[in-house]
Amino acid sequence: KAGVTQTPRYLIKTRGQQVTLSCSPISGHRSVSWYQQTPGQGLQFLFEYFSETQRNKGNFPGRFSGRQFSNSRSEMNVSTLELGDSALYLCASRRDRGGPDTQYFGPGTRLTVL
Amino acid sequence: GNSVTQMEGPVTLSEEAFLTINCTYTATGYPSLFWYVQYPGEGLQLLLKATKADDKGSNKGFEATYRKETTSFHLEKGSVQVSDSAVYFCALSGGSEKLVFGKGTKLTVNP
Repeated sequence: KAGVTQTPRYLIKTRGQQVTLSCSPISGHRSVSWYQQTPGQGLQFLFEYFSETQRNKGNFPGRFSGRQFSNSRSEMNVSTLELGDSALYLCASRRDRGGPDTQYFGPGTRLTVL
Repeated sequence: GNSVTQMEGPVTLSEEAFLTINCTYTATGYPSLFWYVQYPGEGLQLLLKATKADDKGSNKGFEATYRKETTSFHLEKGSVQVSDSAVYFCALSGGSEKLVFGKGTKLTVNP
């Protein structure tokens, strides 16, 4: 079974631009979560989507947004990029059929903002 | 809120040495506990997990036991290899299912 895939793997943008990252979950997984990883702040939860609805949200500004499609694929968007948005963005999926569950991560998208 | 504290790194060991990485947590209710590993340039891989008190998770020679009385989930391996060099993250998942991570411990194993 294929794992979580993320595209693109690497991105370079300049301040003020916007960016869209894509995530395809493991087949049959219905929940997709996004995390930001930086050397200073570590791994931080951005948001979670389930059945095309945002179910949970971390403490990030409104410039960070996301969506989920009917096939469970998800995208996240960051508008008006700032230097501090440079990070590894990780997507994770899980089955979500009730009870304790495990999140499986993709390889991440490395975003560099110049 | 929920939080995870794990020992600061980096940790440097010789091959075949014993490894312990401490992890303690603060959470309401009964969280699930996880260890994830991140190799250079890659995403996170699940190493092991435990979903209730006294459960022992194990994989690839690594073990961790969910100790509710001490709110701990320490990672251990009896004999590390060079290929175990990576960053290890302890994490918990409470009712919301979002993962809360520790800051990570970088392990380097020398031949």
